[in-house]
Amino acid sequence: RKEVEQDPGPFNVPEGATVAFNCTYSNSASQSFFWYRQDCRKEPKLLMSVYSSGNEDGRFTAQLNRASQYISLLIRDSKLSDSATYLCVVNIAGNTPLVFGKGTRLSVIA
Amino acid sequence: ETGVTQSPTHLIKTRGQQVTLRCSSQSGHNTVSWYQQALGQGPQFIFQYYREEENGRGNFPPRFSGLQFPNYSSELNVNALELDDSALYLCASSPPDRGREQYFGPGTRLTVT
Repeated sequence: RKEVEQDPGPFNVPEGATVAFNCTYSNSASQSFFWYRQDCRKEPKLLMSVYSSGNEDGRFTAQLNRASQYISLLIRDSKLSDSATYLCVVNIAGNTPLVFGKGTRLSVIA
Repeated sequence: ETGVTQSPTHLIKTRGQQVTLRCSSQSGHNTVSWYQQALGQGPQFIFQYYREEENGRGNFPPRFSGLQFPNYSSELNVNALELDDSALYLCASSPPDRGREQYFGPGTRLTVT
């Protein structure tokens, strides 16, 4: 079983749609959780951290369920500029490496 | 921009050759991590350097090696290149005691023919 698994995608959605990405992780000792965004041929950039209580940043909402070892990202009112690959990332502790999922590609269509 | 720089941006090598990739960390960051991202995959951890010492290594063979310098910049060396080494190589730096905060450079795209 892979350490971090994501929806295989790609997701093709019209502008204005709501889209949800799911992710599961295998290591129950994981402590920190993130969503990164990666544009084509660019480096990953932190989109948001994910907290147990859930957190929201504008149109983006992230949720964490530690019991199910499940993380989600919801994007409301999709924009063309949201087109990218979304990477689910888990960290066990402190200076340990980030563990990335394979990513899910999103294409928002006009 | 994160302030992390990498060089070169692109390069092409042939099988069996050796390559050195370079990374300058963001000012004040003392930890550097290297990742390999093959096409269609997420980044995979290669190794991390902290205070000029290797501080963790992923599942990569010994022909992948690295260095960190007193100014915290870092090099990734790959010997005996193989076709499967073709990938985007990403460097990320972290501030002291906040290793989970990793700021990525733009990457070096290596093609092995």
